[in-house]
Amino acid sequence: DGGITQSPKYLFRKEGQNVTLSCEQNLNHDAMYWYRQDPGQGLRLIYYSQIVNDFQKGDIAEGYSVSREKKESFPLTVTSAQKNPTAFYLCASTQGGRNTEAFFGQGTRLTVV
Amino acid sequence: AQSVTQLGSHVSVSEGALVLLRCNYSSSVPPYLFWYVQYPNQGLQLLLKYTTGATLVKGINGFEAEFKKSETSFHLTKPSAHMSDAAEYFCAASNQKVTFGTGTKLQVIP
Repeated sequence: DGGITQSPKYLFRKEGQNVTLSCEQNLNHDAMYWYRQDPGQGLRLIYYSQIVNDFQKGDIAEGYSVSREKKESFPLTVTSAQKNPTAFYLCASTQGGRNTEAFFGQGTRLTVV
Repeated sequence: AQSVTQLGSHVSVSEGALVLLRCNYSSSVPPYLFWYVQYPNQGLQLLLKYTTGATLVKGINGFEAEFKKSETSFHLTKPSAHMSDAAEYFCAASNQKVTFGTGTKLQVIP
């Protein structure tokens, strides 16, 4: 089955540690996205990538980093510079073109203690 | 700049009643429009989308939405709510990039 997989589903980390969230897709989509979701704030774009080896900052990129070495993979690292990292993180992909829908992973809930 | 506004962060309806979730967009160019549904601790799933053509679009689970350019709206409706419709619903607009609304949580009362 084609889809987009995020792992792990739940992640706990100590304050000050970097952590990497995995996102893999087998849909052959060109574009991939990372969103952060907090209650009452909808989805906020962290980073996006429209092609391998290229990515752009979204609206709240500070404290995060990404890479896009393969078309299928778009990992997100939450660094110690992110002031409030506890949140639900969603990865998405699209075929490309503004009329195509986004396919979402199941999300990773990160809790920093 | 493009923006999406969803009126009402929480909506409650009785089982069997009409569901109406409101979405308005602001964009210099009419965007493509989408509605997604999210169940707790899961990702978003596409309900329906408007690109071109017929302004009334039908989606999954009996939902439909009508694009009204004059009102810059794309409200989501369902004639009769089911308990299984309880979830959070997001409206999104797409031009150069995709912009999501802040979501509306739908509660269905038995």
